Amino acid sequence: ELKVEQNPLFLSMQEGKNYTIYCNYSTTSDRLYWYRQDPGKSLESLFVLLSNGAVKQEGRLMASLDTKARLSTLHITAAVHDLSATYFCAVMPYDKVIFGPGTSLSVIP
Amino acid sequence: ETGVTQSPTHLIKTRGQQVTLRCSSQSGHNTVSWYQQALGQGPQFIFQYYREEENGRGNFPPRFSGLQFPNYSSELNVNALELDDSALYLCASGENRVGYSSYEQYFGPGTRLTVT
Repeated sequence: ELKVEQNPLFLSMQEGKNYTIYCNYSTTSDRLYWYRQDPGKSLESLFVLLSNGAVKQEGRLMASLDTKARLSTLHITAAVHDLSATYFCAVMPYDKVIFGPGTSLSVIP
Repeated sequence: ETGVTQSPTHLIKTRGQQVTLRCSSQSGHNTVSWYQQALGQGPQFIFQYYREEENGRGNFPPRFSGLQFPNYSSELNVNALELDDSALYLCASGENRVGYSSYEQYFGPGTRLTVT
């Protein structure tokens, strides 16, 4: 069964701290996506990772991909309140798109 | 803002009824996907259309059907609505090119469907 898991599902962190969200997937996929969703809103694309060892950074977020381990990470550096949201990873094996359950991030002062 | 629009924004239907949701893709996009997102969960892939043909389907029954039109707008039809169909329905469009692996999709704002 195609499966995408995220860890943790809920994360409460203090402003200024660093943390990593993990995304494991069970099938071969040549691309991995990270999205952000604010409450009641649609999904915003953050990163598209296409190859093993790919690393992308945007502001305080950095995503990486290890296709051999079927693992992607989303690293948060010096968190700020504006990063509070739910973060989803997704893989696209063949003709399907499989999302993880999401990590709900709350950054507190 | 992605340029992908959906209508209506909100909709309330009764169990057993039928509903049609609409999506207008971003200009230049030839692929559209539909997702169902129940409260507190990740989006579930319903199906994808590429050049007006279904190009992949998730684990949804046949009462979920779709269309993609030549202008790349799209519809999601759901027959015989059930209470569990209450969810946010998202469409996403993208440009799929042969030999080009970097497929990125852009999501619309969604339609919130409530089935009572």
